[in-house]
Amino acid sequence: GQQLNQSPQSMFIQEGEDVSMNCTSSSIFNTWLWYKQEPGEGPVLLIALYKAGELTSNGRLTAQFGITRKDSFLNISASIPSDVGIYFCAGGGETSGSRLTFGEGTQLTVNP
Amino acid sequence: DTGVSQDPRHKITKRGQNVTFRCDPISEHNRLYWYRQTLGQGPEFLTYFQNEAQLEKSRLLSDRFSAERPKGSFSTLEIQRTEQGDSAMYLCASSRRWGFQETQYFGPGTRLLVL
Repeated sequence: GQQLNQSPQSMFIQEGEDVSMNCTSSSIFNTWLWYKQEPGEGPVLLIALYKAGELTSNGRLTAQFGITRKDSFLNISASIPSDVGIYFCAGGGETSGSRLTFGEGTQLTVNP
Repeated sequence: DTGVSQDPRHKITKRGQNVTFRCDPISEHNRLYWYRQTLGQGPEFLTYFQNEAQLEKSRLLSDRFSAERPKGSFSTLEIQRTEQGDSAMYLCASSRRWGFQETQYFGPGTRLLVL
């Protein structure tokens, strides 16, 4: 089946540092979404990307939809303790149809 | 504007029992999705509805699983004869498609533990 390779698996950073994570796929997607999940809760949407090459910001978060439609990255600038959580990329559309295919997540820890 | 809600939030059951979960989507969202998430993994697609029609089912959805959305509003997911391997977080998401754009919003999930 389809797989998204998300890296890194985990990150330990100091408050104020910038963070970058990415996802790559062997398949093409029409949509890339980034979610954040905290323990015991469902994923919360951070950024949605619908067009190849699109670069979108949401506060301190910036994400891009790769030109090849097979990859995406998420950057977090000036991290704060409440950024702690698991970040998931998800691809939708094209060969996957309406379903979302998720990466395995990046566990982010921010030390004050 | 309320989000996706799920009930119950937690369920503990004994192996062999049946369980049923409910999902209430965001109002005016015509698409509803079920996913399953095990520890340390991303959510995996199970099935989805457009209005009351079930349009796609994953091969993960064994014969013991059934989902319904009788009036195109809320949905239920039933697991019959539960097994320990069914222990997971069951997530519901809803969306509305605008042209080629579709964004899925997730509920808080139902965590199932099968003893």
